Amino acid sequence: NAGVTQTPKFQVLKTGQSMTLQCAQDMNHEYMSWYRQDPGMGLRLIHYSVGAGITDQGEVPNGYNVSRSTTEDFPLRLLSAAPSQTSVYFCASSTAGLNTDTQYFGPGTRLTVL
Amino acid sequence: GNSVTQMEGPVTLSEEAFLTINCTYTATGYPSLFWYVQYPGEGLQLLLKATKADDKGSNKGFEATYRKETTSFHLEKGSVQVSDSAVYFCAFPGGTSYGKLTFGQGTILTVHP
Repeated sequence: NAGVTQTPKFQVLKTGQSMTLQCAQDMNHEYMSWYRQDPGMGLRLIHYSVGAGITDQGEVPNGYNVSRSTTEDFPLRLLSAAPSQTSVYFCASSTAGLNTDTQYFGPGTRLTVL
Repeated sequence: GNSVTQMEGPVTLSEEAFLTINCTYTATGYPSLFWYVQYPGEGLQLLLKATKADDKGSNKGFEATYRKETTSFHLEKGSVQVSDSAVYFCAFPGGTSYGKLTFGQGTILTVHP
């Protein structure tokens, strides 16, 4: 099993550009989520999905879109990049998103917006 | 609201020293509690967890006991190694989003030979 994979590892964008961060998992997990990690703030939830075709907002969703057309994939789209979106982005998955479940994280994408 | 207060770092120790990283939480009820670890250049991975009060989670020599009286889940290790250098996050499911993890701000641990 590859687990949770993310691409790209690093990305530099100019303000106003758009891009998609890719996330895939091969564990047949129903629950997937995106977090951003900023210094001194831990991780904050951007969007999540409880299954194919179902997505919802987390605590910091503005400026990001997601879709979940398959169980395996959960891409994160930046519509018009801003310097405030400079961060490290992590995708995570778990079996059902229940409160006792372990979440499995990808290696992260380090994004810089100039 | 739900929150996690984690010991601020960075923490620097010599090999074989004793480690404690404090974690307290504010939540409704008694949620499961987790410690995640992030090694340099990698994503987070589960270190240990406890799903109910008085449970002790353990892994790789690390331990943490779920203490509901003090709403705490402190991480301990009796003898750290250089390979334990990483960022440690305390977390629990909290908030209105289904399955959402609420994280502490992370504690950077550096262990010197």
